[in-house]
Amino acid sequence: AQSVAQPEDQVNVAEGNPLTVKCTYSVSGNPYLFWYVQYPNRGLQFLLKYITGDNLVKGSYGFEAEFNKSQTSFHLKKPSALVSDSALYFCAVRDIGSSASKIIFGSGTRLSIRP
Amino acid sequence: NAGVTQTPKFQVLKTGQSMTLQCAQDMNHEYMSWYRQDPGMGLRLIHYSVGAGITDQGEVPNGYNVSRSTTEDFPLRLLSAAPSQTSVYFCATNPGGALGETQYFGPGTRLLVL
Repeated sequence: AQSVAQPEDQVNVAEGNPLTVKCTYSVSGNPYLFWYVQYPNRGLQFLLKYITGDNLVKGSYGFEAEFNKSQTSFHLKKPSALVSDSALYFCAVRDIGSSASKIIFGSGTRLSIRP
Repeated sequence: NAGVTQTPKFQVLKTGQSMTLQCAQDMNHEYMSWYRQDPGMGLRLIHYSVGAGITDQGEVPNGYNVSRSTTEDFPLRLLSAAPSQTSVYFCATNPGGALGETQYFGPGTRLLVL
């Protein structure tokens, strides 16, 4: 079975500082990995994904994530945080052997950027 | 191109009542899913479909039924609502395969069961 863990319920960062939102995963085969963001009273929006290839993936709004197979991690990062980055962030995984509909999400991490 | 639409936006039910949450997409995506979002629980997969006529259970399928008679529509049925089903429900579609695996989410339906 596939699963995702986001160990931090909330991450607080000062504007201009680097940010990291952690994610670890478990799959029986090889993973497809994703990050989504949710703003208040909105649906989820896609940020970035790892399917294959380069372990460092760049996405929307200056975010990037690094796939680390040995640590089964896919942490989300940004070099310089903006107040507008404040939102709820979800990591998600799909086992390559499972259906493209069967994407499992983590519990979410609330990112708060203070001015 | 409306993308993924969900109706209603908000619904109040009494325990034991039934209802159907509607989800429609105009992107011709084969893959569709239903999730529920609860505080501290993230998004949990209820049911999913890989094409018309084919559905399967996700992480939390009990109390919910689905059908997929067309590519466009994927309704979620609550046969006898319970307070534990109070949640925000999201429908998602996915083109799958070489088109990139990205999930496209609807705006959500907020359900309150009294």
